[in-house]
Amino acid sequence: KNEVEQSPQNLTAQEGEFITINCSYSVGISALHWLQQHPGGGIVSLFMLSSGKKKHGRLIATINIQEKHSSLHITASHPRDSAVYICAAPIKAAGNKLTFGGGTRVLVKP
Amino acid sequence: GAGVSQTPSNKVTEKGKYVELRCDPISGHTALYWYRQSLGQGPEFLIYFQGTGAADDSGLPNDRFFAVRPEGSVSTLKIQRTERGDSAVYLCASSPVSGDTQYFGPGTRLTVL
Repeated sequence: KNEVEQSPQNLTAQEGEFITINCSYSVGISALHWLQQHPGGGIVSLFMLSSGKKKHGRLIATINIQEKHSSLHITASHPRDSAVYICAAPIKAAGNKLTFGGGTRVLVKP
Repeated sequence: GAGVSQTPSNKVTEKGKYVELRCDPISGHTALYWYRQSLGQGPEFLIYFQGTGAADDSGLPNDRFFAVRPEGSVSTLKIQRTERGDSAVYLCASSPVSGDTQYFGPGTRLTVL
């Protein structure tokens, strides 16, 4: 069983829809990363959060450390949001190297 | 300022050859991480440097893989006797200190024919 799991694996939405991606983890962490990877592109760090909620534009990330669960929300989705979204947990006991979820492939149709 | 850069962006080599992949982290970042992402999969950890020393190399798949960071800045990932299974995107990330946000480079796409 992977230490970091995401759902769904794939998600298709119509432009304007609200999107939620979930991440659960079994390791003890103090923070969680949300990353974005466009097709053929590099990885961009969206958020690192350790509690509560963070917002950047139309992206909102929430985390509940006690429940070991985080969500990434995209409001008013747009085709340019189409990408793979990955949650990753830094393993503090191991230099904070990241353990990655399997990713969620998001496709937003116009 | 400049982000993390990696060179080359693409590398095609033949099985059995030696390759070097370079990572230039953000200036002043002490922590540097190498990850590998195979097609259709999520990234996997390879090695982590704190300063000049490899603090954790547990992710290196075998002794054909080696990485250095001699001056605590630029890092080079070296792969000897490449195999087709080494084909992947090799990602480098740096952070100001371990535990801070990691900033990723664009990756080097390695193809072993």
